Amino acid sequence: EVQLLESGGGLVQSGGSLRLSCAASGFTFNTYAMSWVRQTPGKGLGWVSGITASGGTTNYADSVKGRFTISRDNSKSALYLQMNSLRAEDTAIYYCARDPFYQGELLSDYWGQGTLVTVSS
Amino acid sequence: EIVLTQSPGTLSLSPGERATLSCRASQSVSSSYLAWYQQKPGQAPRLLIYGASSRATDIPDRFSASGSGTDFTLTISRLEPEDFAVYYCQQYGNSPRTFGQGTKLEIK
Repeated sequence: EVQLLESGGGLVQSGGSLRLSCAASGFTFNTYAMSWVRQTPGKGLGWVSGITASGGTTNYADSVKGRFTISRDNSKSALYLQMNSLRAEDTAIYYCARDPFYQGELLSDYWGQGTLVTVSS
Repeated sequence: EIVLTQSPGTLSLSPGERATLSCRASQSVSSSYLAWYQQKPGQAPRLLIYGASSRATDIPDRFSASGSGTDFTLTISRLEPEDFAVYYCQQYGNSPRTFGQGTKLEIK
């Protein structure tokens, strides 16, 4: 059974930093791309960042580029999101998701339960 | 980026009825790279449909979907109590992947 378990969320002041982690199990982690997606009541779901299976290529939404860094440790089946210079608008539930190829394009098929990040201004 | 607009915002129906949800894209979605997710309160989104019309693993056949270009539809043929949730469409053929704002399917 595919399992993704996020941790590391919490309350942080504007301008602060947090590091999110996602522990994966139930599948061969080093063969899948992964991503982070966030959800807010106001703006809904939004893709944040993605990383290839090897970790060699990363992508970011424009809103987080230069502030967030995605990484992975395939030896530990773990995905990370380092979030710096946090803003109030980064407040959201952050999900990690598994990204296999569906008909040639990456699509999130399994998601974790999410971790809440709250940025206070 | 591609903007997805879902309608209606809320759909009130009774178990056993048929539900039809719409997703319209601001520009053509490449190769029908359109997915649908279901989300229940406190849970992660669950992949229902990919490629505009293909059911994901273990999704019951009362869920069907169709569409191409800019107009897509998710249909639930006979609503079961567990189907009442929020449904999101997502396009994954253009970067960045984008989501619709969701349709809440509630019990009438």
